[in-house]
Order: sequence, then C-alpha cells, then structure tokens
Amino acid sequence: DSGVTQTPKHLITATGQRVTLRCSPRSGDLSVYWYQQSLDQGLQFLIQYYNGEERAKGNILERFSAQQFPDLHSELNLSSLELGDSALYFCASSLGTYRQETQYFGPGTRLLVL
Amino acid sequence: DAKTTQPNSMESNEEEPVHLPCNHSTISGTDYIHWYRQLPSQGPEYVIHGLTSNVNNRMASLAIAEDRKSSTLILHRATLRDAAVYYCILHGVNNNAGNMLTFGGGTRLMVKP
Repeated sequence: DSGVTQTPKHLITATGQRVTLRCSPRSGDLSVYWYQQSLDQGLQFLIQYYNGEERAKGNILERFSAQQFPDLHSELNLSSLELGDSALYFCASSLGTYRQETQYFGPGTRLLVL
Repeated sequence: DAKTTQPNSMESNEEEPVHLPCNHSTISGTDYIHWYRQLPSQGPEYVIHGLTSNVNNRMASLAIAEDRKSSTLILHRATLRDAAVYYCILHGVNNNAGNMLTFGGGTRLMVKP
C-alpha cells in the first residue's frame, strides 16, 4: 500500500460526458502528479501540483483540468470525453519538488468511454 | 530528460539473479537514474535510484557504469512476484521546473517457476 488513494477504481461513461477523478496523497506529501496510461501511448505525465499551485504541465489536453485543494487532495476533471480518453489514470505524490524524491503511485482509476 | 534504451522483455528462472540493463548514453552529469516497476494491474512502484555510486536496498541493487552511460538493476533472487515491467528513468533538470517522471517502454520481466 503506497498511501496514495484514488477514487473511483472504475468509471464507465459515454462520449461527451464529464467525469472527476479524485486523489489523496500520502500524509505529508505536498506534490501531486497525474499520469495517463493507455495501450498505445504508455505512461504519460499530465500535470503536477505543489502545495496548491500548478507546477508543471505535460501532454494534458485542453478538455482536461486539475486542481489541488488546501487539504492537498487533487481532482482531475475530464470533459467532452472521447473514446480515446479510455485509459488508466494514476495519481502519484512526493514530498516536494526535488528530482531525487520517490514518487508514490496510487492504484489508478480505470476509465472506459463508450 | 535524456533517453533510455531497455530490452523489451527478459525471462528469468525463479530464485536466480536477474540483471536488467539500461543504456543512457546521453545522460548529463546531474541526471539521477531511477528504476520503477509496475506489477500487473497496479500503479508503478519505486525500486531504487542513484547518481554515481552503486546503491543497494532491500529490493534490489543498482550498478552504475563508471562513465554513467549505462546501468543495471540487479534482483538477487527473482520470485514470481517480481514479474513486472521495469522502467529505467533519467530524472534531470526540467526547464518547466517540474519533477515529473518520463516513462519509456520498459522491460517486461517474466519469471518462470
């Protein structure tokens, strides 16, 4: 158990819909990361928050947005969903922003868009 | 981050040592070498990391070449539970100030009983 929790575990929805994925980081961790894992693209970084502020953006679509709340949990919002958004979405957390820090990953949310 | 090259897959027998290679010929002097693994149906998990010297922890050892252009993750006695995809990741200074991980294709390790 990494200490990172993600809800829900599974999500099935239709094209055009909007969903929210939730992540609670390990106690004491200030950085939260979101990654997407699809069969054709592998594991890709989407976005990082540190202590409530956006720190870095990766290959995140404009239809996707995220935020980190004062209690440090984070939500990833996916809107106008397309079939290609079906993937595993992982949240990870780390203490801060140093490159030698370990990132702890949650169990993921499996999203299926029909 | 600089690129890494790993074999797509490797096979090992249970209870034997496994050496997982990683080439990173364009590594810079400040890049950390991280290894993560992903067990089936789970999120990635940290294995080990190093900068210049060899490193040991309870899970594995990391051997780093003197010129740092390659490294090897060593599992001393493979178990069935070690069957996973192993990712070698270089973690350097990012212009956008984030410290995200950049995953490649990894090596799928299969362990035979």
